[in-house]
Amino acid sequence: GENVEQHPSTLSVQEGDSAVIKCTYSDSASNYFPWYKQELGKGPQLIIDIRSNVGEKKDQRIAVTLNKTAKHFSLHITETQPEDSAVYFCAASKISQKLVFGQGTRLTINP
Amino acid sequence: DAGITQSPRHKVTETGTPVTLRCHQTENHRYMYWYRQDPGHGLRLIHYSYGVKDTDKGEVSDGYSVSRSKTEDFLLTLESATSSQTSVYFCAISSNGAVEKLFFGSGTQLSVL
Repeated sequence: GENVEQHPSTLSVQEGDSAVIKCTYSDSASNYFPWYKQELGKGPQLIIDIRSNVGEKKDQRIAVTLNKTAKHFSLHITETQPEDSAVYFCAASKISQKLVFGQGTRLTINP
Repeated sequence: DAGITQSPRHKVTETGTPVTLRCHQTENHRYMYWYRQDPGHGLRLIHYSYGVKDTDKGEVSDGYSVSRSKTEDFLLTLESATSSQTSVYFCAISSNGAVEKLFFGSGTQLSVL
């Protein structure tokens, strides 16, 4: 089955700098790659996703890139703000299959 | 959290006791899921339901059972709780089973002593 590895497990950046979180997946047939943000005491919430027919997708300060050949995808957050502090999860799935999540990254934005 | 209520929010229990967690939704979504979240493991699917009385196993279903007698309620039962089941449990819903439309509840922190 699918296996998703996420790095780093913790990340600390200065406010205003960029943050990058990377994930690799094992099943070349996976075609959907979402990112979830989990704030303290809450459930995960979808923030951006990408399909395998697209190499990059942006939404304001966040972007996701996908390299199908290398089987990895990344979350990029620019101009980080204190409210970006949270745990971020990547995931992968094939059509009609259930999501497989990465281990999570705790992102801390330092003022 | 998209009309999803999990209860209780926190529970402490002893090894060997039965425990039932409840997920209630007001969205009338067909699909409901139970995940557990553990450090170093992310979110792992326990069981899911694709309709009333229709359920299936996820990747970590051993030691858990589920029931869905109404569209709005999905129950997760630990028949005889073990310390390895100490975790945060999340319920999620989706309208058509498409993973792109997955909404999570706020979670239940369960401690088995």
